Amino acid sequence: GAVVSQHPSRVICKSGTSVKIECRSLDFQATTMFWYRQFPKQSLMLMATSNEGSKATYEQGVEKDKFLINHASLTLSTLTVTSAHPEDSSFYICSARQRDRVVHEQFFGPGTRLTVL
Amino acid sequence: AQSVTQLGSHVSVSEGALVLLRCNYSSSVPPYLFWYVQYPNQGLQLLLKYTSAATLVKGINGFEAEFKKSETSFHLTKPSAHMSDAAEYFCAHFSGNTPLVFGKGTRLSVIA
Repeated sequence: GAVVSQHPSRVICKSGTSVKIECRSLDFQATTMFWYRQFPKQSLMLMATSNEGSKATYEQGVEKDKFLINHASLTLSTLTVTSAHPEDSSFYICSARQRDRVVHEQFFGPGTRLTVL
Repeated sequence: AQSVTQLGSHVSVSEGALVLLRCNYSSSVPPYLFWYVQYPNQGLQLLLKYTSAATLVKGINGFEAEFKKSETSFHLTKPSAHMSDAAEYFCAHFSGNTPLVFGKGTRLSVIA
């Protein structure tokens, strides 16, 4: 149980285009979903936290107009990178926290590799 | 603010030798602590977690970690390294309802 999927696993796009990444909790309801970004040979940096039905909370330095997060249901969150540029190329990982769990463990998706040309 | 510090960005051991990856945390409230492993171009895999039960936690692939409150540490160990253990290891921590905060990671190399 507690599986999180991401789609697509890899995406290559041209500079200036927008890219949408989906994150789904497959067998549980997620009260909260998190989006992380990981640059090569670096750690995971939290970008934003989203609760179902609420606006996302962005970490300092993350542009909310560039990284649009929608958490429309308890099983789906999307991250849209708008007007992507080469510096947005990164590994994006989502994570979901299970509803009604005593310990608020986070389950991670497999990640999406974004390359902006 | 809570944080985790991983000492050593790169650790190299011989195959069959002890693996020791260090993690220290700072938190004003009792923490939940985790170790994750990441293989190249893959997502995170949970190795083990501490959730205020037993202080010695056993995980997958022969790894274990001991929570030491007096030292604010949660070091990861494995008695005998295998070549397949070569990967990036992340210590992570949260308190209360906050998101997981990750250390900078330690790259483990295993030499034949």
